[in-house]
Amino acid sequence: GAGVSQSPSNKVTEKGKDVELRCDPISGHTALYWYRQSLGQGLEFLIYFQGNSAPDKSGLPSDRFSAERTGGSVSTLTIQRTQQEDSAVYLCASSPTGVSGNTIYFGEGSWLTVV
Amino acid sequence: AQSVAQPEDQVNVAEGNPLTVKCTYSVSGNPYLFWYVQYPNRGLQFLLKYITGDNLVKGSYGFEAEFNKSQTSFHLKKPSALVSDSALYFCAVRENGGFKTIFGAGTRLFVKA
Repeated sequence: GAGVSQSPSNKVTEKGKDVELRCDPISGHTALYWYRQSLGQGLEFLIYFQGNSAPDKSGLPSDRFSAERTGGSVSTLTIQRTQQEDSAVYLCASSPTGVSGNTIYFGEGSWLTVV
Repeated sequence: AQSVAQPEDQVNVAEGNPLTVKCTYSVSGNPYLFWYVQYPNRGLQFLLKYITGDNLVKGSYGFEAEFNKSQTSFHLKKPSALVSDSALYFCAVRENGGFKTIFGAGTRLFVKA
């Protein structure tokens, strides 16, 4: 596919369980972002990967949240010991290499519900 | 640190009338500015961006935005609104030379027939 692919599209989990959300960026894009959109809220920056550089983790809300990017492509966002306030849409985006002015392109999101 | 403000939670416009969705920003140095639109249950779609050059930027679906450095604003405009323009609009800012992109809280646009 040509766009950013995210899975699962929907996830319902019990409070206290761990969840993994996956993002497959556009082929050739070296920059990858994770954002969180809570109901009725704006987009909250979580983490940013650029090539082989150390990720910018400044937006992760707690140490229960982590993300990795393997081989410079696919990324996984992991939420440990989920809480009800983690319920949100998690959006992944990617951008072409190098140039700061590049547009970022979003996936459809993973809807997480913690019950 | 950069930040974005979208002062209106909601904008209501009649079809055929001009629309404006406001955005102001704060960033060190020169900004890169973006507008995105989100339709219900969908991801964000890119509309337009300002990087450098002409202060008036034209984008998709007849939208345009004007960069005003002195007022630190980047308002989204369209001369004639359509019902199909009803959606959630996000403004975003990035520092020139950086990659971290910060989004505003969003403005919901309602266009009435």
